[in-house]
Amino acid sequence: AQKITQTQPGMFVQEKEAVTLDCTYDTSDQSYGLFWYKQPSSGEMIFLIYQGSYDEQNATEGRYSLNFQKARKSANLVISASQLGDSAMYFCAMRPNSGYALNFGKGTSLLVTP
Amino acid sequence: NAGVTQTPKFQVLKTGQSMTLQCAQDMNHEYMSWYRQDPGMGLRLIHYSVGAGITDQGEVPNGYNVSRSTTEDFPLRLLSAAPSQTSVYFCASSQGWRGYTFGSGTRLTVV
Repeated sequence: AQKITQTQPGMFVQEKEAVTLDCTYDTSDQSYGLFWYKQPSSGEMIFLIYQGSYDEQNATEGRYSLNFQKARKSANLVISASQLGDSAMYFCAMRPNSGYALNFGKGTSLLVTP
Repeated sequence: NAGVTQTPKFQVLKTGQSMTLQCAQDMNHEYMSWYRQDPGMGLRLIHYSVGAGITDQGEVPNGYNVSRSTTEDFPLRLLSAAPSQTSVYFCASSQGWRGYTFGSGTRLTVV
């Protein structure tokens, strides 16, 4: 079974600063995908970024980047230039190539302060 | 708009009642799944389907049934609601490796 660990229940960051949200995973699969989702207070799940295990470069999507360290089994999300609208829950998830289901971590609550 | 539609958005049930949460997608995705979200627990997989006529259990299947008679629809049935099933339920669909789309969720309270 795959396990996703997010060790930071809550994080604070000042507006315009960068923040890193941690995610480690445990899998015996060689091929897998890593995802980050944002859940604002309105409740919807918003896809942010994807990283394939065989991708050689770290994924980037606008202000979001994924710091992927395969040997350490970590997939940290970096948000640059934080905005007040970034305040939300953030979930790391993984899908092994051997299956279809997304396995989620327990999430990190991010609060961006003025 | 294309996407995943969940109904209802809110529901209150009495213990022992049954109900069906509806999920429909118009993207012709083969894979559909149901998750429940509880505080501090992240999202946990209840059931999933890899195509019409094919379903399987996830991490927390007890108390729930599913069926997949068409590609578009994947309803989740609560057989006899219990307070422990108070949760937010999400349906998601996917076609291929990376394209997961989530519905807006159903907030269920069992009293």
